[in-house]
Amino acid sequence: NAGVTQTPKFQVLKTGQSMTLQCAQDMNHEYMSWYRQDPGMGLRLIHYSVGAGITDQGEVPNGYNVSRSTTEDFPLRLLSAAPSQTSVYFCASSSGLAGVDEQFFGPGTRLTVL
Amino acid sequence: SQQGEEDPQALSIQEGENATMNCSYKTSINNLQWYRQNSGRGLVHLILIRSNEREKHSGRLRVTLDTSKKSSSLLITASRAADTASYFCATDRNRDDKIIFGKGTRLHILP
Repeated sequence: NAGVTQTPKFQVLKTGQSMTLQCAQDMNHEYMSWYRQDPGMGLRLIHYSVGAGITDQGEVPNGYNVSRSTTEDFPLRLLSAAPSQTSVYFCASSSGLAGVDEQFFGPGTRLTVL
Repeated sequence: SQQGEEDPQALSIQEGENATMNCSYKTSINNLQWYRQNSGRGLVHLILIRSNEREKHSGRLRVTLDTSKKSSSLLITASRAADTASYFCATDRNRDDKIIFGKGTRLHILP
Protein backbone atom coordinates (compact mmCIF):
# COMPACT_ATOMS: atom_id res chain seq x y z
CA ASN A 1 0.00 0.00 0.00
CA ALA A 2 1.20 3.50 -0.86
CA GLY A 3 -0.79 4.97 2.05
CA VAL A 4 -1.56 8.67 1.65
CA THR A 5 0.05 10.37 -1.34
CA GLN A 6 0.18 14.08 -2.10
CA THR A 7 1.18 15.93 -5.22
CA PRO A 8 3.00 18.12 -5.90
CA LYS A 9 5.71 18.12 -3.22
CA PHE A 10 6.60 21.74 -3.88
CA GLN A 11 4.75 24.56 -5.64
CA VAL A 12 5.34 28.26 -6.20
CA LEU A 13 2.38 30.42 -7.20
CA LYS A 14 1.86 34.07 -7.93
CA THR A 15 -0.80 36.00 -6.08
CA GLY A 16 -4.17 35.45 -7.70
CA GLN A 17 -3.36 32.15 -9.35
CA SER A 18 -5.42 29.08 -8.62
CA MET A 19 -4.31 25.50 -8.21
CA THR A 20 -5.34 22.12 -6.87
CA LEU A 21 -3.39 20.09 -4.34
CA GLN A 22 -3.97 16.41 -4.88
CA CYS A 23 -4.45 13.82 -2.14
CA ALA A 24 -5.14 10.13 -2.58
CA GLN A 25 -5.27 7.16 -0.23
CA ASP A 26 -5.44 3.46 -0.97
CA MET A 27 -6.57 2.21 2.44
CA ASN A 28 -10.32 2.55 1.78
CA HIS A 29 -10.59 5.13 4.55
CA GLU A 30 -13.84 7.02 4.89
CA TYR A 31 -12.43 10.05 6.72
CA MET A 32 -10.05 12.47 5.01
CA SER A 33 -8.84 15.89 6.03
CA TRP A 34 -6.62 18.78 5.00
CA TYR A 35 -4.40 20.70 7.41
CA ARG A 36 -1.99 23.56 7.03
CA GLN A 37 1.11 24.00 9.15
CA ASP A 38 2.84 27.34 9.57
CA PRO A 39 6.24 27.84 11.26
CA GLY A 40 6.08 27.29 15.01
CA MET A 41 2.45 26.31 14.80
CA GLY A 42 0.58 23.09 15.09
CA LEU A 43 -1.67 21.88 12.34
CA ARG A 44 -4.87 23.75 11.63
CA LEU A 45 -7.81 21.98 10.01
CA ILE A 46 -8.97 23.44 6.69
CA HIS A 47 -11.66 21.04 5.49
CA TYR A 48 -12.59 17.46 6.17
CA SER A 49 -14.79 14.71 4.77
CA VAL A 50 -16.49 11.81 6.53
CA GLY A 51 -17.22 9.99 3.29
CA ALA A 52 -17.71 10.36 -0.45
CA GLY A 53 -20.03 13.27 -1.21
CA ILE A 54 -19.75 14.77 2.28
CA THR A 55 -17.45 17.65 3.24
CA ASP A 56 -17.36 20.15 6.07
CA GLN A 57 -15.35 23.15 7.14
CA GLY A 58 -12.56 23.16 9.68
CA GLU A 59 -10.93 26.05 11.53
CA VAL A 60 -9.50 27.94 8.54
CA PRO A 61 -11.62 27.20 5.43
CA ASN A 62 -11.59 30.63 3.78
CA GLY A 63 -9.90 30.68 0.38
CA TYR A 64 -10.09 26.90 -0.04
CA ASN A 65 -12.57 24.53 -1.65
CA VAL A 66 -12.81 20.75 -1.47
CA SER A 67 -14.89 18.00 -3.00
CA ARG A 68 -15.04 14.26 -2.38
CA SER A 69 -16.36 12.42 -5.41
CA THR A 70 -14.61 9.14 -4.58
CA THR A 71 -13.44 7.43 -1.40
CA GLU A 72 -9.82 7.57 -2.59
CA ASP A 73 -9.38 11.22 -3.57
CA PHE A 74 -9.76 14.49 -1.70
CA PRO A 75 -8.37 17.45 -3.69
CA LEU A 76 -7.90 20.89 -2.14
CA ARG A 77 -8.43 23.90 -4.40
CA LEU A 78 -6.95 27.32 -3.82
CA LEU A 79 -9.27 29.71 -5.59
CA SER A 80 -7.11 32.84 -5.76
CA ALA A 81 -3.79 32.35 -4.02
CA ALA A 82 -2.62 34.91 -1.45
CA PRO A 83 0.74 35.24 0.32
CA SER A 84 -1.04 34.31 3.59
CA GLN A 85 -1.58 30.86 2.09
CA THR A 86 2.14 30.18 2.02
CA SER A 87 2.36 27.08 4.18
CA VAL A 88 2.94 23.34 4.27
CA TYR A 89 -0.24 21.41 3.53
CA PHE A 90 -0.89 17.94 4.88
CA CYS A 91 -3.60 15.52 3.89
CA ALA A 92 -4.63 12.76 6.30
CA SER A 93 -7.00 9.83 6.31
CA SER A 94 -8.45 7.41 8.85
CA SER A 95 -10.92 4.57 8.84
CA GLY A 96 -12.93 6.19 11.60
CA LEU A 97 -13.47 9.77 12.68
CA ALA A 98 -10.40 11.82 13.60
CA GLY A 99 -11.35 12.04 17.26
CA VAL A 100 -11.49 8.29 17.77
CA ASP A 101 -9.11 6.84 15.22
CA GLU A 102 -5.50 7.09 14.15
CA GLN A 103 -4.94 9.44 11.21
CA PHE A 104 -2.38 8.60 8.55
CA PHE A 105 -0.64 11.62 7.08
CA GLY A 106 0.80 12.26 3.65
CA PRO A 107 4.29 13.73 3.16
CA GLY A 108 3.01 17.27 2.64
CA THR A 109 3.02 19.91 -0.08
CA ARG A 110 5.17 22.98 0.50
CA LEU A 111 3.44 25.96 -1.11
CA THR A 112 4.90 29.42 -1.59
CA VAL A 113 2.74 32.28 -2.84
CA LEU A 114 4.64 35.30 -4.11
CA SER B 1 -8.44 28.79 18.29
CA GLN B 2 -5.79 26.62 19.95
CA GLN B 3 -7.17 23.95 22.24
CA GLY B 4 -4.06 22.16 23.41
CA GLU B 5 -0.86 23.83 24.47
CA GLU B 6 2.32 21.81 24.88
CA ASP B 7 4.98 22.61 27.42
CA PRO B 8 7.90 23.06 27.10
CA GLN B 9 8.15 24.50 23.59
CA ALA B 10 11.59 22.93 23.22
CA LEU B 11 13.52 20.31 25.15
CA SER B 12 17.08 19.01 24.80
CA ILE B 13 18.23 15.95 26.74
CA GLN B 14 21.06 13.43 26.63
CA GLU B 15 20.51 10.11 24.93
CA GLY B 16 19.33 7.56 27.45
CA GLU B 17 17.51 10.09 29.65
CA ASN B 18 13.76 10.29 29.97
CA ALA B 19 11.82 13.05 28.23
CA THR B 20 8.59 14.46 29.59
CA MET B 21 6.31 16.88 27.78
CA ASN B 22 2.96 18.22 28.85
CA CYS B 23 -0.26 19.26 27.18
CA SER B 24 -2.96 21.45 28.67
CA TYR B 25 -6.35 22.01 27.11
CA LYS B 26 -9.30 24.25 27.74
CA THR B 27 -12.58 22.39 27.20
CA SER B 28 -13.73 18.89 28.07
CA ILE B 29 -12.74 16.05 25.77
CA ASN B 30 -13.65 12.51 24.80
CA ASN B 31 -10.14 11.51 23.77
CA LEU B 32 -6.64 12.96 23.60
CA GLN B 33 -4.01 11.88 21.11
CA TRP B 34 -0.27 12.33 20.73
CA TYR B 35 1.46 12.55 17.37
CA ARG B 36 5.13 12.78 16.37
CA GLN B 37 6.55 14.72 13.44
CA ASN B 38 10.07 14.19 12.17
CA SER B 39 11.57 17.21 10.46
CA GLY B 40 9.85 17.93 7.17
CA ARG B 41 7.64 14.86 7.32
CA GLY B 42 3.99 14.08 7.97
CA LEU B 43 2.72 13.30 11.44
CA VAL B 44 2.72 9.80 12.87
CA HIS B 45 0.16 8.69 15.44
CA LEU B 46 1.63 7.56 18.77
CA ILE B 47 -1.18 6.91 21.20
CA LEU B 48 -4.81 7.71 22.02
CA ILE B 49 -6.08 7.96 25.58
CA ARG B 50 -9.76 8.14 26.43
CA SER B 51 -11.21 10.52 28.97
CA ASN B 52 -12.02 7.64 31.35
CA GLU B 53 -8.42 6.38 31.27
CA ARG B 54 -5.69 7.74 33.54
CA GLU B 55 -2.62 6.10 32.07
CA LYS B 56 -1.64 4.24 28.94
CA HIS B 57 1.58 2.60 27.78
CA SER B 58 2.98 1.78 24.38
CA GLY B 59 6.56 0.51 24.27
CA ARG B 60 8.76 3.28 25.71
CA LEU B 61 5.87 5.72 25.77
CA ARG B 62 3.73 6.44 28.81
CA VAL B 63 0.81 8.85 28.59
CA THR B 64 -1.18 10.13 31.53
CA LEU B 65 -4.40 12.09 31.53
CA ASP B 66 -5.82 14.21 34.33
CA THR B 67 -9.23 15.46 33.25
CA SER B 68 -9.72 17.45 36.47
CA LYS B 69 -6.64 19.52 35.58
CA LYS B 70 -7.30 19.32 31.84
CA SER B 71 -3.77 18.12 31.22
CA SER B 72 -1.85 15.21 29.79
CA SER B 73 1.79 14.21 29.82
CA LEU B 74 3.89 12.14 27.44
CA LEU B 75 6.92 10.36 28.87
CA ILE B 76 9.52 8.82 26.59
CA THR B 77 11.86 6.56 28.54
CA ALA B 78 15.45 5.74 27.62
CA SER B 79 15.51 8.28 24.79
CA ARG B 80 17.27 7.57 21.51
CA ALA B 81 18.58 9.80 18.74
CA ALA B 82 15.65 8.66 16.59
CA ASP B 83 13.25 10.26 19.10
CA THR B 84 14.40 13.71 17.94
CA ALA B 85 11.17 15.18 16.56
CA SER B 86 8.27 17.48 17.36
CA TYR B 87 5.48 16.07 19.50
CA PHE B 88 1.90 17.30 19.29
CA CYS B 89 -1.15 16.65 21.40
CA ALA B 90 -4.56 16.72 19.75
CA THR B 91 -7.95 16.97 21.44
CA ASP B 92 -11.50 16.57 20.21
CA ARG B 93 -13.53 19.00 22.36
CA ASN B 94 -16.24 16.34 22.76
CA ARG B 95 -16.60 15.97 19.00
CA ASP B 96 -15.54 12.85 17.15
CA ASP B 97 -15.30 14.38 13.68
CA LYS B 98 -12.36 16.70 14.15
CA ILE B 99 -9.39 17.29 16.39
CA ILE B 100 -7.38 20.37 17.32
CA PHE B 101 -3.59 20.22 17.47
CA GLY B 102 -1.36 22.13 19.85
CA LYS B 103 1.78 23.94 18.72
CA GLY B 104 4.05 21.10 19.74
CA THR B 105 7.18 20.41 21.75
CA ARG B 106 10.45 20.18 19.83
CA LEU B 107 12.54 17.41 21.35
CA HIS B 108 16.25 17.14 20.61
CA ILE B 109 18.21 14.12 21.80
CA LEU B 110 21.89 14.88 22.26
CA PRO B 111 24.41 12.09 21.55
